This record gives sequence, structure tokens and C-alpha cells, in this order.
Amino acid sequence: EVQLVESGGGLVQPGGSLRLSCAASGFTFSKYWMTWVRQAPGKGLEWVANIKEDGSVKYYVGSVKGRFTISRDNAKNSLYLQMNSLRAEDTAVYYCASILHYDIMNYWGQGALVTVSS
Amino acid sequence: EIVLTQSPATLSLSPGERATLSCRASQSVDSYLAWYQQKPGQAPRLLIYDVSNRATGIPARFSGSGSGTDFTLTIGSLEPEDFAVYYCQQRSNFGQGTRLEIK
Repeated sequence: EVQLVESGGGLVQPGGSLRLSCAASGFTFSKYWMTWVRQAPGKGLEWVANIKEDGSVKYYVGSVKGRFTISRDNAKNSLYLQMNSLRAEDTAVYYCASILHYDIMNYWGQGALVTVSS
Repeated sequence: EIVLTQSPATLSLSPGERATLSCRASQSVDSYLAWYQQKPGQAPRLLIYDVSNRATGIPARFSGSGSGTDFTLTIGSLEPEDFAVYYCQQRSNFGQGTRLEIK
């Protein structure tokens, strides 16, 4: 059974940092692109970042470029999102997901809530 | 940037009825279009990929169609568990969602 379990969410002040983790199991993690998608309270889905199977290629939505870093450790079957210079508008549930192909997300974690507030 | 516009924003139907949800792209897109279902407090779930292929474990009452700029998700006969929010997605772009509610 495929499982993606996010952790590391919480309350952080504006300008602060947080690192999300996503532990993967039930599939060959190293063979899949992975992604982070977020959802602000009561809003729709927003793609945040993608990373290639070997970590050599990364893409970001414009609003997080230079502040967020996606990474992975295939030996640990884990995906990460380092979030710096956090803003109130980054408040959201952050989901990790595996990519079937062409950015289509076939398996999702349960999400981690990040709240940026003073 | 491609914008995906879903309609209607809210669809009110009864169990057993047929649901038709629309997703329109601001310019012609390739066939890598997906539909997701999201229930309150849950993560999205992949329903349809590549316009018309059902994901693993998705019932046959869900079907997708379309090409170019116009795509449709059809639910043949609504079950109580189908009332949720549905999103279309193409590459890094999501539609704003259609809320399917019980009439």
C-alpha cells in the first residue's frame, strides 16, 4: 500500500523558517518525480514545487522562488520542503504527492498545516 | 500561463442523477489533463488522468472526455459519497474547483 506521510508543520512567525518532511513507502520512491501542493484555508489547490527522480531538476511556482527549496533523500525514501522567509500568505495545508507522469499526481499524503502568524 | 476555468462553481443534484462538470483552458492544451476529488478534511484523490483514463480503484460511473480547450468530467449516477469538490489540472495549473452538493 502506497503511503505518504507529511510532518513538520506548525505555527511560525512571519519571516521564520520551517522544514516539511514527507516519508514515502509502498512504492519505489527513487523512480518517481515528486511534488508539493498547497491549499490555503477554504481555497483551491496550488502547485508549489517539483523534483526529478534523482533530485537534479527542480521547479517552483513564482511566489516561492528563492524562499523555498525542495529536496529528497532516496536512501531514506523522503521528500523535503525547506521554507524560509515565510509570509502570512504561505499559510496552507501542504501536501506531498507522487507524480504519475506529466505533473499528474497519483498518490497524496494527508497534508501538513503551516500557519504563519505573529 | 494557462488558466483553467471550471463551471459551474456549484452544482446541486440528487443521488441517482447525472453530473456534468466542465473545465475550460485559456488556450489549447495537451492530453495530460487530470481530475481530482476532494472531500472535507481529506487530501485530493486522483480520479481521471490523461483526459479519460480512470485511476486505480475508481468506479466506472466516473468518466472523462474532451480535447483542446474543453474537457468534461461526467458522473453517470451519483452516489452519496460523490458529493465533494472536484478539480481539474493540467501541468502546474489547477482549476478553481466545482462543488458538487446534495440538492
